[in-house]
Amino acid sequence: QSVLTQPPSVSGAPGQRVTISCTGSSSNIGAGYDVHWYQQLPGTAPKLLIYTNNNRPSGVPDRFSGSKSGTSASLAITGLQADDEADYYCQSYDTSLRGVFGTGTKVTVL
Amino acid sequence: QLQLQESGPGLVKPSETLSLTCTVSGGSISSSTYYWGWIRQPPGKGLEWIGSIWYTGSTYYSPSLRSRVTISVDTSKNQIFLKVASVTAADTAVYYCVRPLKEQIFFYGMDVWGQGTTVTVSS
Repeated sequence: QSVLTQPPSVSGAPGQRVTISCTGSSSNIGAGYDVHWYQQLPGTAPKLLIYTNNNRPSGVPDRFSGSKSGTSASLAITGLQADDEADYYCQSYDTSLRGVFGTGTKVTVL
Repeated sequence: QLQLQESGPGLVKPSETLSLTCTVSGGSISSSTYYWGWIRQPPGKGLEWIGSIWYTGSTYYSPSLRSRVTISVDTSKNQIFLKVASVTAADTAVYYCVRPLKEQIFFYGMDVWGQGTTVTVSS
């Protein structure tokens, strides 16, 4: 049950910067709950990319960054590379639904 | 290094109960204060949180699945179990066992994932 809305797809040329939005509401992101981001390569389990809005786990390049404001959050990828092609999901907590994920965004490197 | 491994039947008939096991290695379920959870992903679709459990047996479930889902734990075997009753084709998905990054929070950024197991509901 996706209550966090993401664009279905974004694309960019190698080296460019792309951003993925994650739009929620006053019962989740807007209520102050943290946002996390995942990268899912084809046929693999999701990998935690950003946690607690803007923190990178060890090993994640600083090309990936997160931000949060109001009822939305964003993931930015700078210096886009071919192996960044993947699906990306945001995640937060909702006061009614509890655990919620975004609808997912497919990133294509042109 | 902590590892999670899901196992169970890959095919379940409609109206029956789906049963999966998550075996934890590289760490003890009962020696930490982490929750352990299940997340699923239907083919070509997004992620859905199913529920989470603490080693004491305390559980949290997705409101949309609560009536059909049971999550349990066996600390002696270091295993977590998932049961989904009265399954339909809509329950066809890859099922992942997960652990959140932070202790004592049942739903947070998940930093440890199993490889996932595919379950198809079909007669």
